[in-house]
Amino acid sequence: GAGVSQSPSNKVTEKGKDVELRCDPISGHTALYWYRQSLGQGLEFLIYFQGNSAPDKSGLPSDRFSAERTGGSVSTLTIQRTQQEDSAVYLCASSLEVSGGAFFEQYFGPGTRLTVT
Amino acid sequence: AQTVTQSQPEMSVQEAETVTLSCTYDTSESNYYLFWYKQPPSRQMILVIRQEAYKQQNATENRFSVNFQKAAKSFSLKISDSQLGDTAMYFCAFMSEYGNKLVFGAGTILRVKS
Repeated sequence: GAGVSQSPSNKVTEKGKDVELRCDPISGHTALYWYRQSLGQGLEFLIYFQGNSAPDKSGLPSDRFSAERTGGSVSTLTIQRTQQEDSAVYLCASSLEVSGGAFFEQYFGPGTRLTVT
Repeated sequence: AQTVTQSQPEMSVQEAETVTLSCTYDTSESNYYLFWYKQPPSRQMILVIRQEAYKQQNATENRFSVNFQKAAKSFSLKISDSQLGDTAMYFCAFMSEYGNKLVFGAGTILRVKS
């Protein structure tokens, strides 16, 4: 498809388990972003990739959260030892390269709804 | 740090009427970008309209327009001729001129009634 895709669409996991969420950005988009949407915290930035490097990880809430991007394309967000407060919708977005002062629209995927029981 | 405030948790409007959603923000920067995103029940975030802070002219996109008041740090969205398909959560968002991340408000649920 032409848009950002995410998998799985929904994920239910038990507290303490690890989960991996996947994002496929739009082809050619070098910038990739992860956001989290939860009832308590609203929509918050997690991490930004430019190519395979992550110059901004400031939004990751704890060291249980990590993300990687390989080949400048697919990204995986991993949450270790999940807690109930990790329950949220995890949104991925991609854009053309970010350069100083120039705006490139972020295109969002449909998100992964994570439920930790 | 920048903050974005949407003070209207929910709003409703009759089909074909006009509605205005409010947004205020706080920043010490002189140039930046402001956005309105729409999120329907499908969860897909869609960019509705954007405004560059250095532009004095208010942005418009068909039935959607903004009232950008830089001094007051206000950025409201006006939807004219509301349609049932406009029913969604609307988020106001801020991005620094040299930034890479969006800072979102809490959102406003808009219901268009027939």
